Amino acid sequence: KNEVEQSPQNLTAQEGEFITINCSYSVGISALHWLQQHPGGGIVSLFMLSSGKKKHGRLIATINIQEKHSSLHITASHPRDSAVYICAVRDRDDKIIFGKGTRLHILP
Amino acid sequence: DSGVTQTPKHLITATGQRVTLRCSPRSGDLSVYWYQQSLDQGLQFLIQYYNGEERAKGNILERFSAQQFPDLHSELNLSSLELGDSALYFCASSVAQSTQYFGPGTRLLVL
Repeated sequence: KNEVEQSPQNLTAQEGEFITINCSYSVGISALHWLQQHPGGGIVSLFMLSSGKKKHGRLIATINIQEKHSSLHITASHPRDSAVYICAVRDRDDKIIFGKGTRLHILP
Repeated sequence: DSGVTQTPKHLITATGQRVTLRCSPRSGDLSVYWYQQSLDQGLQFLIQYYNGEERAKGNILERFSAQQFPDLHSELNLSSLELGDSALYFCASSVAQSTQYFGPGTRLLVL
């Protein structure tokens, strides 16, 4: 079993829909990251969380430390949000462990 | 543009060879991270340096080594290359253990 699990693996939705991507982890962490990777390959860091909730534009990330779970939400989704979203955690030894990613496709 | 530069962009080499990948972090960032992304393994953490010192080690093979120089740029050396080492290699930088900024990656193809 992977230490960081993401669901769903693939998600196709219509423009405007509310999107939720989930991440569960099994190790003790000091921080959790949400990354976005576009088809060209470039990686952008969206959020770094150690507790609570963060919001940036249409993106919201939450983390529940007790339940070892984080969610990434996209409101009013748009075709330009189509990308792979990757959850990563920094464990207590400062090692970074990645989930396998969620491939999101937003249809116009 | 993240401010992190990586050279070269592409590299084609043969099995058994040795290559060096270079990363220049954003101005002011003391931490440099190296990652490998292959089709079958996804993203994997290799190693982190902070201000010249090794900070954390991930799944880095013994054939691979890295260092961070006094000017904070970093190099990842890959030796005795195998077909399975073909991958995208990303470098990222951060101020400390904060938000990471990723470079564009070096695509390595081992033939």
